[in-house]
Amino acid sequence: ETGVTQSPTHLIKTRGQQVTLRCSSQSGHNTVSWYQQALGQGPQFIFQYYREEENGRGNFPPRFSGLQFPNYSSELNVNALELDDSALYLCASSPTGYEQYFGPGTRLTVT
Amino acid sequence: AQTVTQSQPEMSVQEAETVTLSCTYDTSESDYYLFWYKQPPSRQMILVIRQEAYKQQNATENRFSVNFQKAAKSFSLKISDSQLGDAAMYFCAYRSAESAGNNRKLIWGLGTSLAVNP
Repeated sequence: ETGVTQSPTHLIKTRGQQVTLRCSSQSGHNTVSWYQQALGQGPQFIFQYYREEENGRGNFPPRFSGLQFPNYSSELNVNALELDDSALYLCASSPTGYEQYFGPGTRLTVT
Repeated sequence: AQTVTQSQPEMSVQEAETVTLSCTYDTSESDYYLFWYKQPPSRQMILVIRQEAYKQQNATENRFSVNFQKAAKSFSLKISDSQLGDAAMYFCAYRSAESAGNNRKLIWGLGTSLAVNP
């Protein structure tokens, strides 16, 4: 195990709702990244935080937002959920920004 | 933009035998990192091995080794003495060595599903 935890494990939401996913980084890791993995695909980068500041973002709309807290835990917020947002959401922490250690993921289903 | 290609959607190997998974990438950068990750049915992405582009020596981690051919932009993973627990989806990923903005992201291939037959 990597020491990165995510909650919840699964959740089901309705289109138009909002969701918050949580990630607890491995101790000593000050960088956290979030990825979306659709079924049968590789992960797609959403954004990265370093010391509570967003310092990189992929091609995701502004309704995907995040936070990193002083203890380096993190949240991913998605507003106005769409059916295509159904995916596995992966959080990864890193001590250096290079190698990334992943949590078990949150499976989001939007109906 | 960088891309990563895994041309083998599925592979299988007999237990105790050796299998090689292929990965090619495209980049104009000279300094970067390459990774192989394993994703078992439990979904957790597990780092298997990493290679720094400036190192000529191929990385090795126990039964896992890579064949890094920088000029050919090829990065294959060899699994020796395959075990049932090696069955998983394997992803190849690229990361720029540049530390600014979106260069920090991992760029992923589509994965290779590896089955290990007893």
